[in-house]
Amino acid sequence: DTAVSQTPKYLVTQMGNDKSIKCEQNLGHDTMYWYKQDSKKFLKIMFSYNNKELIINETVPNRFSPKSPDKAHLNLHINSLELGDSAVYFCASSPRLAGASDTQYFGPGTRLTVL
Amino acid sequence: ELKVEQNPLFLSMQEGKNYTIYCNYSTTSDRLYWYRQDPGKSLESLFVLLSNGAVKQEGRLMASLDTKARLSTLHITAAVHDLSATYFCAVDDNITGANSKLTFGKGITLSVRP
Repeated sequence: DTAVSQTPKYLVTQMGNDKSIKCEQNLGHDTMYWYKQDSKKFLKIMFSYNNKELIINETVPNRFSPKSPDKAHLNLHINSLELGDSAVYFCASSPRLAGASDTQYFGPGTRLTVL
Repeated sequence: ELKVEQNPLFLSMQEGKNYTIYCNYSTTSDRLYWYRQDPGKSLESLFVLLSNGAVKQEGRLMASLDTKARLSTLHITAAVHDLSATYFCAVDDNITGANSKLTFGKGITLSVRP
């Protein structure tokens, strides 16, 4: 049983294209996240949603737009892709219970390559 | 802005020996997480440390947290090849809010040699 799943696993596309990455979690968690991991393995949060509501929106270009149709799904749409967008994108989820450990569970990642 | 530093960034370990790696951070927080990442894979949660003096152990790994020093250590006992991976620490800097916001260190890549 996959807890946090992402599609596609690999995405190769040309500069200027628009693409989407999908994420689903079956853990019943309320909060979901998108992270970007660059070529040096540095991980940085991009967005978080709590029960379909945007909570964290870090300094991310407007070309990136998250969408959460329900609390089990958080998709990431990227417009006008640039070379610098090449990275691995991880989706994560956490239960966010007051006083709980709030561990984030990560998906398998989507490796995006922009040519 | 919260900064999380890990050192060293790369560590070559000899099988059977003990090592300690460090994670320090710049602002007050009492929630610190350790994750492991194998090459090309996702992040796997190892430890959650939620208070000053917290110590957790799993197999050959032991993590501790000193919130006064803003320091966490990950101690490796008798290193084995299976421990070769990149280890990230992450600090939650939104603990008073309704949601978690993790800031990750750059990761420490451990390589165990025979």
